[in-house]
Amino acid sequence: SSELTQAPAVSVALGQTVRITCQGDSLRSYYASWYQQKPRQAPVLVIYGKNIRPSGIPDRFSGSSSGNTASLTITGAQAEDEADYYCNSRDISNNQCVFGGGTKLTVL
Amino acid sequence: QVQLQESGPGLVKSSQTLSLTCSVSGGSINSGGNFWTWVRQHPGKGLEWIGCVYYSGITYYNPSLESRLSISLDRFKNQFSLRLSSVTAADTAVYYCARESPLYYSGSGTYSSFDSWGRGNLVTVSS
Repeated sequence: SSELTQAPAVSVALGQTVRITCQGDSLRSYYASWYQQKPRQAPVLVIYGKNIRPSGIPDRFSGSSSGNTASLTITGAQAEDEADYYCNSRDISNNQCVFGGGTKLTVL
Repeated sequence: QVQLQESGPGLVKSSQTLSLTCSVSGGSINSGGNFWTWVRQHPGKGLEWIGCVYYSGITYYNPSLESRLSISLDRFKNQFSLRLSSVTAADTAVYYCARESPLYYSGSGTYSSFDSWGRGNLVTVSS
């Protein structure tokens, strides 16, 4: 199966650490990429590969992977991190991409 | 920095064909290894991968849309396009074009990323 499963919502206190997870069989052989989307905006890439941050993404964002689970960690969450987060992967056997259902992050 | 811009009608009648174009600037669609991709987002919902065209012209489609879908490159105009036939209200969504990077192979896994996105084009299907 190429499905990716994310928790619908998670909350974190300002300045604390939060982990958003993504589960799927394709993640055993393909690193997830992670996207932040704020209301009425296009998604923005925040993490890809083993733990690569594009230029301009704060270093409080990090990624990790183990088995069929990928994680996005925000260390010291800020108010501006409140957004929807999506993971993405690919089934390399047929080059089908898939997005997780998204996790809505609330910063309290 | 590559920039992408969607264009096309914001309103399509049910049973007709939805056509969108993505104009690419700051880079060439002929660049080796990139996947030129369409993603959509139904109102209030998550992201859905529609499909992509590899720089060589090979296409990969979401199986749920494949029978109605066509994605193609226009190398002369540096654009790529989406055509979705027999649309219904369920196709009402914001449609994004995006560039997926080439696949990279590391010792512990393969990876890529959608590193450039258009701003999105809301398409409403009316009856």
